[in-house]
Amino acid sequence: AQSVTQLDSQVPVFEEAPVELRCNYSSSVSVYLFWYVQYPNQGLQLLLKYLSGSTLVKGINGFEAEFNKSQTSFHLRKPSVHISDTAEYFCALTASGFQKLVFGTGTRLLVSP
Amino acid sequence: DGGITQSPKYLFRKEGQNVTLSCEQNLNHDAMYWYRQDPGQGLRLIYYSQIVNDFQKGDIAEGYSVSREKKESFPLTVTSAQKNPTAFYLCASSGQGSNYGYTFGSGTRLTVV
Repeated sequence: AQSVTQLDSQVPVFEEAPVELRCNYSSSVSVYLFWYVQYPNQGLQLLLKYLSGSTLVKGINGFEAEFNKSQTSFHLRKPSVHISDTAEYFCALTASGFQKLVFGTGTRLLVSP
Repeated sequence: DGGITQSPKYLFRKEGQNVTLSCEQNLNHDAMYWYRQDPGQGLRLIYYSQIVNDFQKGDIAEGYSVSREKKESFPLTVTSAQKNPTAFYLCASSGQGSNYGYTFGSGTRLTVV
């Protein structure tokens, strides 16, 4: 079975500061990894995904994530956040050959001026 | 533009009533999913369907029912057996292959009055 752990339920940060949202996973088979963003009262939007190849993945809105197989992690980073980045962020995985995504519990990013 | 449409955006239900949430997609995706979202609990899978006329229970199917008569449509009925239906409901779809990830609708907020 696969699982995703997002250790931080909430991350407060000041505008223009860097941020890292942590995601660790568990799986006995190869996985594809995803980060989604959810703004209030909206659905989830895909930020980026890792399928194979380069371990550094760049996504929309200036976000990037690094796949680390040895540490089973897929942390999301942004060098300088904006107020508009305030949202909930979900890490998810699916095992190769399966369609069903497994989600973490989410991390709420709170950006203040 | 292709996408997923959920309706209504807000829905109010009286005690003992059944209500149906609509989910339509024009992405030609085979698989569709229903999630329930409660504060601090992430997304929990209610039902999913990988082909027309077939669907499987997710983690919290009790008190819910679905149908998949057309590829484009996957309505969710919240029955009176669901004791705590107030939540945000998200519909998603995915294409063939696990590297697609999901496309989400904008959600329906259901409130019991």
